[in-house]
Amino acid sequence: GAGVSQSPSNKVTEKGKDVELRCDPISGHTALYWYRQSLGQGLEFLIYFQGNSAPDKSGLPSDRFSAERTGGSVSTLTIQRTQQEDSAVYLCASSPTRGPYNEQFFGPGTRLTVL
Amino acid sequence: DQQVKQNSPSLSVQEGRISILNCDYTNSMFDYFLWYKKYPAEGPTFLISISSIKDKNEDGRFTVFLNKSAKHLSLHIVPSQPGDSAVYFCAASAGLGGSYIPTFGRGTSLIVHP
Repeated sequence: GAGVSQSPSNKVTEKGKDVELRCDPISGHTALYWYRQSLGQGLEFLIYFQGNSAPDKSGLPSDRFSAERTGGSVSTLTIQRTQQEDSAVYLCASSPTRGPYNEQFFGPGTRLTVL
Repeated sequence: DQQVKQNSPSLSVQEGRISILNCDYTNSMFDYFLWYKKYPAEGPTFLISISSIKDKNEDGRFTVFLNKSAKHLSLHIVPSQPGDSAVYFCAASAGLGGSYIPTFGRGTSLIVHP
């Protein structure tokens, strides 16, 4: 079956520009997570959506970062006025149900390079 | 302040031998632990998990051991195969009273030599 997909796979942008990253989770999965992995670092949590509940935004590094999830499915992560330190691989994951005891299914990631 | 630590950035093992990847955590609220495997240019994939009510979970060549008193877990791969070469991430989450969001370590790069 179809897994988690992300687009674009690569994005190169200039400092100061806005970017939008898209995530299509596995159909029926109610939980959706965004992480980023900078070079040599682990997975840094950004934001978590669960069903119709208010998202947990506690991991967003600044107010330049925002995300939405429309209709409980597709999610878009937006980074405004990009900075060079935003360069990283942005990973999206989904889980079938609420709760901490579920594995996450990850997409292939979007590699963002800010020049 | 890292709550999940993988202190070895890399590990090199001969094919057929045992690979042991270690993970330490600091948050006593963590009660569920997962290992993910990541190949280059791909997202992490789930490998094996363990609940804090157990001290061992086995799945084929992969075994995870949990030592709650030491806040330590390890992943054993026996026998190691070249296809096991990847980055392995340890993750931990807290159930009752905790966050539903897994916390990941920085990963250990495993290289299995033929």
